[in-house]
Amino acid sequence: DADVTQTPRNRITKTGKRIMLECSQTKGHDRMYWYRQDPGLGLRLIYYSFDVKDINKGEISDGYSVSRQAQAKFSLSLESAIPNQTALYFCATSDPDPRRGTDTQYFGPGTRLTVL
Amino acid sequence: AQTVTQSQPEMSVQEAETVTLSCTYDTSENNYYLFWYKQPPSRQMILVIRQEAYKQQNATENRFSVNFQKAAKSFSLKISDSQLGDTAMYFCAFMNYNNNDMRFGAGTRLTVKP
Repeated sequence: DADVTQTPRNRITKTGKRIMLECSQTKGHDRMYWYRQDPGLGLRLIYYSFDVKDINKGEISDGYSVSRQAQAKFSLSLESAIPNQTALYFCATSDPDPRRGTDTQYFGPGTRLTVL
Repeated sequence: AQTVTQSQPEMSVQEAETVTLSCTYDTSENNYYLFWYKQPPSRQMILVIRQEAYKQQNATENRFSVNFQKAAKSFSLKISDSQLGDTAMYFCAFMNYNNNDMRFGAGTRLTVKP
């Protein structure tokens, strides 16, 4: 079973529509992230959350909002989708290990969103 | 802001040979992590290897190893005994220790040829 799941896996929508992408994890991690991937640009951070009451903007948060409903759930919303938000969206989780001094992010399978 | 540069958009290697993927980064931070992620056609992001900046010893994971040169801000990935399943996009990533702000390079598409 996958530790980090994303729904839907693929979505086509029209300009102006509201879209919600959902992420769930069974890893028990406190930290969750949303990225978008565009060809030639790698992944860019949209929002991240270190716990249920902590939400932070990332590199490219304009046009997006998030909700951390529980430790295991982190949703990304596009209030009014536009074509340049067409991209592959990834959710990730992490749990810092102070003993090893590491904090590795584990990714979900991605959601391909197309805005027409 | 930190930036990550992967100067090789595409590379190819013969099966069983060795290939090195390059990555450089720019930061004023002293405490950070570096990662290589693999993205096969399934588009899943898979962690290949990670390096803590405070460690001088280069990380190794089976056929994968890194050459971490902190002063030069270089973090290359060496894949030994390349296998067909290594065909994928490879992303280098930098993460600031203090705020988990992770920045990715644009990726290198690696093709392993039979």
